[in-house]
Amino acid sequence: AQKVTQAQTEISVVEKEDVTLDCVYETRDTTYYLFWYKQPPSGELVFLIRRNSFDEQNEISGRYSWNFQKSTSSFNFTITASQVVDSAVYFCALSEEDGGATNKLIFGTGTLLAVQP
Amino acid sequence: DARVTQTPRHKVTEMGQEVTMRCQPILGHNTVFWYRQTMMQGLELLAYFRNRAPLDDSGMPKDRFSAEMPDATLATLKIQPSEPRDSAVYFCASGLVVRPTKNIQYFGAGTRLSVL
Repeated sequence: AQKVTQAQTEISVVEKEDVTLDCVYETRDTTYYLFWYKQPPSGELVFLIRRNSFDEQNEISGRYSWNFQKSTSSFNFTITASQVVDSAVYFCALSEEDGGATNKLIFGTGTLLAVQP
Repeated sequence: DARVTQTPRHKVTEMGQEVTMRCQPILGHNTVFWYRQTMMQGLELLAYFRNRAPLDDSGMPKDRFSAEMPDATLATLKIQPSEPRDSAVYFCASGLVVRPTKNIQYFGAGTRLSVL
């Protein structure tokens, strides 16, 4: 069965601290895709990153970095030098390869990140 | 900047009334998804279209919910009759499926529905 677990319900940090959001997934497929989305207080869901299961290279985009480890079924997200604007709910999601018929996203329950000034 | 547009942003209605939510996908995208977000269930898929054809609506209560794509620029989600338990934020997302690359789903701002 497919499942995404975000064990951290809420995290509070002070501005400029680094913070890591954890994501653990379960899937029986060998080909799958992992995503992170950001949901700021305004409510929309903003796409951050997609990773496929064959690419375990870590990725960095500005202050954001992602650590994908198949051995532990984890796809963690780190924000370096956090800012107040990073305050949001962050969702990790999984999509399995199914011949292209469905691209259904299975979402985790989200982690609320509060960055205090 | 291409965006998925959802209307209305907020809807308050009384139990038993019909509710229609609309979504304009990003031009050129060939897949449209409807998700529902609640505190209890989180984000869950309701229905999915590709090239305007419904492919998966297994997540949708069939007796009261219906989803359609009258044309490539409009997707609708209708609830009739609405019930208080339908209160949630409904998101539309669109994507472009080009094999073998998996599509990325881009979300609209959502419709916050309150059924009294």
